[in-house]
Amino acid sequence: EVQLVESGGGLVQPGGSLRLSCAASGFTFSSYEMNWVRQAPGKGLEWVSYISSSGSTIYYADSVKGRFTISRDNAKNSLYLQMNSLRAEDTAVYYCARVGFYSSSFDYWGQGTLVTVSS
Amino acid sequence: DIQMTQSPSSLSASVGDRVTITCQASQDISNYLNWYQQKPGKAPKLLIYDASNLETGVPSRFSGSGSGTDFTFTISSLQPEDIATYYCQQYDNLPTIIPYTFGQGTKLEIK
Repeated sequence: EVQLVESGGGLVQPGGSLRLSCAASGFTFSSYEMNWVRQAPGKGLEWVSYISSSGSTIYYADSVKGRFTISRDNAKNSLYLQMNSLRAEDTAVYYCARVGFYSSSFDYWGQGTLVTVSS
Repeated sequence: DIQMTQSPSSLSASVGDRVTITCQASQDISNYLNWYQQKPGKAPKLLIYDASNLETGVPSRFSGSGSGTDFTFTISSLQPEDIATYYCQQYDNLPTIIPYTFGQGTKLEIK
């Protein structure tokens, strides 16, 4: 069974840092592209960042570029999001999501981890 | 960057009704369009991929169509468990910066 489990969320002050993790199981993690998607309270889905299966190709949304860093450790079946210089508008539930092998869709999602940026 | 315009933003319908949601891309995206369902407090769930393909295990009352810039998502006969927010998502297969964009969402309620 495919499972994605996020962790690392919590309360952080503006300007602070946080590192999110996504533990993958039930599939060959190293073969799949991965993404982070976030959802602010009461708002819609916002794509945050993409990483290719090898980690060689990375993209970021304009809203996080220069502040967030996506990475992966295929040996540990884990995806990460290092978030620096956090702002109030980064408050959201953060989901990791797998890209389907034969399509462009996000076929599996984690349960999400809440990041709250507040003083 | 490709922009997605999803409508309506909210929709009220009765059980058994046919429900249609549309999504328009700012440029040709071929069939790189996916649809998701999100229930309150839950992660999104993939329903339709590549515009018209039903994800495994998803009821056949859900369907999608379209290509290029105009896409449609349909529930043929609304069921109480379909109450959720629905999102379209595009994929830019020649991305310069942004490979994915979500629509604004459609909140579906029972009348």
